[in-house]
Amino acid sequence: EVQLEQSGAQVKKPGESLKISCKTSGYSFTSSWIAWVRQMPGGGLEWMGMIFPGDSNIIFSPSFQGQVTMSADRSLTTAYLQWDSLKASDSAIYFCARQATRGDLDFWGQGTLVTVSS
Amino acid sequence: DIQMTQSPSSLSASVGDRVTITCRTSQTISNYLNWYQQKPGKAPKLLIYAAFNLQGGVPSRFSGGGSGTAFTLTISSLQPEDSGTYYCQHSYNPPHTFGQGTRIEIK
Repeated sequence: EVQLEQSGAQVKKPGESLKISCKTSGYSFTSSWIAWVRQMPGGGLEWMGMIFPGDSNIIFSPSFQGQVTMSADRSLTTAYLQWDSLKASDSAIYFCARQATRGDLDFWGQGTLVTVSS
Repeated sequence: DIQMTQSPSSLSASVGDRVTITCRTSQTISNYLNWYQQKPGKAPKLLIYAAFNLQGGVPSRFSGGGSGTAFTLTISSLQPEDSGTYYCQHSYNPPHTFGQGTRIEIK
């Protein structure tokens, strides 16, 4: 059974760093892209980018290039999303999802709520 | 980047109604169009992939159509559990943008 389990909710102050995780199981981690999707409070879904754990190839949406870092640990079958200096506008729910070879996102994590407030 | 225009932004319909949501893209994407359902506080759920293919476990009252730049999601007979927000997404080339969403309310 394919599963994506995300790390728990985080409350941070502006300027702090953060790394959230997406632990996968039930499929070949190195054979599928993992996408990250942001949902701001009361807002829609925004595609941030994706990482291919097989070779760590990363493709960002221009809107998120330079704002976050994506990485993957093949030994832990876990993908990560990281910020060096959080802003209040980073407050959102972040989802990871597996991208099927067809391009759709067929399995999703439960989401990680990030709150950035002074 | 490919722009997505989804309509309507919200609708209210009765149980048993036929409901159609439209998604248009700023350039042709063949059939690289997917549909998701999201309920409050939950992760999105894949309904339709590649324009018209029903994801496993999704009720057959959901169907997708279209190609090129115009696509539809149809619910043939609306059920109470179909309330939520529906999003289209293209997967033609990155960034794989989502539509703005359509909120469905059951009267």
